[in-house]
Amino acid sequence: DQQVKQNSPSLSVQEGRISILNCDYTNSMFDYFLWYKKYPAEGPTFLISISSIKDKNEDGRFTVFLNKSAKHLSLHIVPSQPGDSAVYFCAASSYANTGNQFYFGTGTSLTVIP
Amino acid sequence: GAGVSQSPSNKVTEKGKDVELRCDPISGHTALYWYRQSLGQGLEFLIYFQGNSAPDKSGLPSDRFSAERTGGSVSTLTIQRTQQEDSAVYLCASSFTLSGEGADTQYFGPGTRLTVL
Repeated sequence: DQQVKQNSPSLSVQEGRISILNCDYTNSMFDYFLWYKKYPAEGPTFLISISSIKDKNEDGRFTVFLNKSAKHLSLHIVPSQPGDSAVYFCAASSYANTGNQFYFGTGTSLTVIP
Repeated sequence: GAGVSQSPSNKVTEKGKDVELRCDPISGHTALYWYRQSLGQGLEFLIYFQGNSAPDKSGLPSDRFSAERTGGSVSTLTIQRTQQEDSAVYLCASSFTLSGEGADTQYFGPGTRLTVL
């Protein structure tokens, strides 16, 4: 049962344009969300997080938006750079509901074309 | 500062053999997680250690899988009588604490790619 879904396995964007990566979840108890970036042959690295008390969190070129009513979050990268090409995973958790488990999506492979 | 390290980076084994995968978390991190990523799948939670508490084993797929964390630091994931479906990348992550935004950030190791022939 996939509680966190990333329905787009891949995305291609021109350098300088905006990249929008989407993530949907089914468990309404999730209250903490993270995005990770993964390069080939490396472990995922933390990118940005958001808790359910917020609907937006910004860090430089990266902004995460949370729509709790739609159970949807998105990661915006602007402007996109070739070095952003990687696989992006979203993850969600609720300590009160799911304990120590973080649920990850299947990832979206982003390619930024120079 | 050293990150999370895992060994071996690659392991090829024959079906039915036991394997041990090692994780060295970041010094001072109290929480340690094991995940696996099978081809085309997301990261699948396996087990979680927090300090000296009993581990959360709810993600282990079968009783062939077990893990230990000695002295609150190094962890070993053991897979007994390996099967071909165990082939995956096994990732270890550590974090400082479970509470508070940002404090739960997990730092991942590079993973161990396990291939069961």
